[in-house]
Order: sequence, then structure tokens, then C-alpha cells
Amino acid sequence: GQQLNQSPQSMFIQEGEDVSMNCTSSSIFNTWLWYKQDPGEGPVLLIALYKAGELTSNGRLTAQFGITRKDSFLNISASIPSDVGIYFCAGPPNNAGNMLTFGGGTRLMVKP
Amino acid sequence: EAQVTQNPRYLITVTGKKLTVTCSQNMNHEYMSWYRQDPGLGLRQIYYSMNVEVTDKGDVPEGYKVSRKEKRNFPLILESPSPNQTSLYFCASSFLSALAGGTGELFFGEGSRLTVL
Repeated sequence: GQQLNQSPQSMFIQEGEDVSMNCTSSSIFNTWLWYKQDPGEGPVLLIALYKAGELTSNGRLTAQFGITRKDSFLNISASIPSDVGIYFCAGPPNNAGNMLTFGGGTRLMVKP
Repeated sequence: EAQVTQNPRYLITVTGKKLTVTCSQNMNHEYMSWYRQDPGLGLRQIYYSMNVEVTDKGDVPEGYKVSRKEKRNFPLILESPSPNQTSLYFCASSFLSALAGGTGELFFGEGSRLTVL
């Protein structure tokens, strides 16, 4: 299947710091999704992006759909301890029907 | 409460002993899917189903079977488990309209951690 490359793989930051992570693909995506997985639970959708160049916010989270349609960014401002978890980008590649491909995840750890 | 329920949550078994992980959703979703999560590899899709009696392979279907006889249930079957199937498994469901140009929101279960010795 298609591959989504997320970076960084993990981050260990101080509470209050801003965080930035990104996701790239070799193929075009029509939708970019960002999910968060809390420890011991299943992933939950945070933000969905539908158009190239789109910038969408959800509280302290902001995500952008890259102009080339091959990348996306997620930023978290003023991190807090409950931001801890694994963040996944995901999307249906152009020709994949109803399959969703997930990136490898970015593990975020926040030091109080 | 709207939810996706998986059982068992934890299982330790031995090589070759058939097992089934059940998945049930109460949201009337057409689409259901199984993923496995391994460190550094993210979530990889095993099988998915777009409706009753309609199933298709994902990225890593080898060693797994599924069935979709009822809309709410989508069991994952390991006929002869092997140690490389030790993983954390997630079932997820969605409305088809959500995937085809919609919100893209999948609802996930809490996961089933399987260890094959």
C-alpha cells in the first residue's frame, strides 16, 4: 500500500512549548486526517483537511494541507501534559477507494 | 453510548491455536476495518468491509480471515497464529459517506493486545 512518512518519530518537550510535526507522501492525497491516540486507547480524529492549502484549527491544534497535496503539518501550541500520546496522519490515497493509510505516528511526551 | 467493542482486550496464546477477536459496533456503520499497530509502523490495515458480505484485503492480510455476516459484527480470525502476529489490534467503523469525501472519521475500539508464544 501507499506509505505516509511522519516525522519526528518521537518528541520529548517541556510543558508550554509549541510542537510541530509533519507527514509526507510520494503520492497525492485528497484528504488529510490527523488522529490522536491516548495511552491505552484507540485513535480519535482531531482534524480533517479537504483542500490543498487549507489551514484548520481545533483549539490549540492547527493543521495544514500542503499545496502539493503530498504533505500535511500539525502544530500544537502551548503544550500541556494531556497532549501526551501518539499522533497519526492518515488519508485515502487517490486511487485507494475506501482504504485509509496511516503514518507511523509521532509519539509526544510532555514534561510538566 | 455509541461505541466499538472488541474482545478480548488481552490474550496470550500459543502458535497454531486458532483464535477469534470479536468486534461489534452499535452505530449502524456500513464500513468496518481491522488494523494492527506495531512500534514505528503505525496502523496497518488488515481487512476491511464496506457492507454485509463484502470484504476486501488491506495492506497486510496474510494469516488473517474475516467475515461480515451481520452489519454490526466483524470478527478477525487467526486460523494458525504465529509469533509475528503478536501485536495490538484495532477494529474501527465508519459510515461509507464519511470516507468517500466526508469527514474521514473512523471510530476505533480500545484495542486487543495479542501475544503469540
